[in-house]
Amino acid sequence: EAGVAQSPRYKIIEKRQSVAFWCNPISGHATLYWYQQILGQGPKLLIQFQNNGVVDDSQLPKDRFSAERLKGVDSTLKIQPAKLEDSAVYLCASSSTGQGWTNTEAFFGQGTRLTVV
Amino acid sequence: AQSVTQLDSQVPVFEEAPVELRCNYSSSVSVYLFWYVQYPNQGLQLLLKYLSGSTLVKGINGFEAEFNKSQTSFHLRKPSVHISDTAEYFCAVIPNTGFQKLVFGTGTRLLVSP
Repeated sequence: EAGVAQSPRYKIIEKRQSVAFWCNPISGHATLYWYQQILGQGPKLLIQFQNNGVVDDSQLPKDRFSAERLKGVDSTLKIQPAKLEDSAVYLCASSSTGQGWTNTEAFFGQGTRLTVV
Repeated sequence: AQSVTQLDSQVPVFEEAPVELRCNYSSSVSVYLFWYVQYPNQGLQLLLKYLSGSTLVKGINGFEAEFNKSQTSFHLRKPSVHISDTAEYFCAVIPNTGFQKLVFGTGTRLLVSP
C-alpha cells in the first residue's frame, strides 16, 4: 500500500513570495490533515478535510494561507505572501475515517521543509 | 482545551540502557493518549496509543507506556535501547468526546550512543 505522498520535499523562497505544497493521501482515505511543525515545537493542525469539505481550519492563518481538496483526493496548501515565521515542516496526514486517531490510524507523509529567507 | 508537556527536550543514553521519556497532560475531559516517533527527515509514525482498559500499553519496537490518571502522565519506556532508536518522540492527546483534534507536545529527542 502506497503511503502519503508529499511534494516538494524542500523549498526555499524569499519572504513575500508565494509557495504551494501538494499532498496525495492514501487511496480511499476520506480524511486529510495539514500540520505545521516549527523547529523545536510539536506539530500544529492547520486544517482538516473530510472528503472535500473543511472540518476544522481554526488555526489556519487565513490572511495568507489557503488550502483546497478538490474531488476529495489530492490537496494543496498555499502560502501567499510568505513570512519568515512560516519556515517549518508542513506535514500531511490521512485516515480512512474522521475518527482517524482512535478508531483507525492516521498516516503521515514525509513532509515539506520550507525555508523563508 | 488540552495541553501536553514534555519537560525533557533531549535525553542522551547509552546503547542497551533503559530509558524513560516523560509526558504530562492537562485536560478538563477524559482523553486518549498517543506516542509518535519521527526519524530524521521522516513523517510521524504511531508507536502506541491508550484508549481504554489496561493502563500499560505495549507498542512497536519494544516500547511501552503507562497511563496514570491521578498524575496525568503517560511516560514512555524501553528496557534496552538501540542506536536505531535515535529519533524525536512526541506525546499527543485527544479528547474522548467531541471533535478529535490531536494536540502534540514539543517533543523529546532521544540520542542513543554506543
